[in-house]
Amino acid sequence: AQSVTQLDSHVSVSEGTPVLLRCNYSSSYSPSLFWYVQHPNKGLQLLLKYTSAATLVKGINGFEAEFKKSETSFHLTKPSAHMSDAAEYFCVVSENNNNDMRFGAGTRLTVKP
Amino acid sequence: KAGVTQTPRYLIKTRGQQVTLSCSPISGHRSVSWYQQTPGQGLQFLFEYFSETQRNKGNFPGRFSGRQFSNSRSEMNVSTLELGDSALYLCASSLIWTGASYNEQFFGPGTRLTVL
Repeated sequence: AQSVTQLDSHVSVSEGTPVLLRCNYSSSYSPSLFWYVQHPNKGLQLLLKYTSAATLVKGINGFEAEFKKSETSFHLTKPSAHMSDAAEYFCVVSENNNNDMRFGAGTRLTVKP
Repeated sequence: KAGVTQTPRYLIKTRGQQVTLSCSPISGHRSVSWYQQTPGQGLQFLFEYFSETQRNKGNFPGRFSGRQFSNSRSEMNVSTLELGDSALYLCASSLIWTGASYNEQFFGPGTRLTVL
């Protein structure tokens, strides 16, 4: 069965500095991979998705992620953090394009002024 | 277009009771999935319904059940509540599942269930 490991439970950056949220996955098949963001008291919002097209995926709000099969990684990056980026981020894997999605434990991003 | 709505938003129950949560998907969406979110276990997949049929199921006991109506609205039921069932229950809808391409899931704000 598929699974994901988010390597950091909490990441703290200063406003204007780069963001790196790390994710490793395990899948028996060609996976679909996603990053979702959850702001306090809000539902989850899709940031970006990889579904076996280009390995570098660009998402909303300046985020992007690169699928690296050899490293089984799908790290999320952003060149310059903004205060509004402070939230919980979830890496998600799904096999065979079904809706059985497995979520990572989440990474809480804090952005300092 | 209205988003995914979940009712109620907050619920307090006592052990042994049962509860029913409701989810209205985005208009035109036929797939509805349910998730449980807790601080200890994170986000876990409960089940998915498509065209009134359960298509996928996570690893939860039989106390957790669901159904979907012909208008795609879905309900989930938890019987004989336990303290550990306290969680945020999230519903997500997607347009259609073709098996050949992924359709984005849109999440509702969740129902926060507290079991005393």
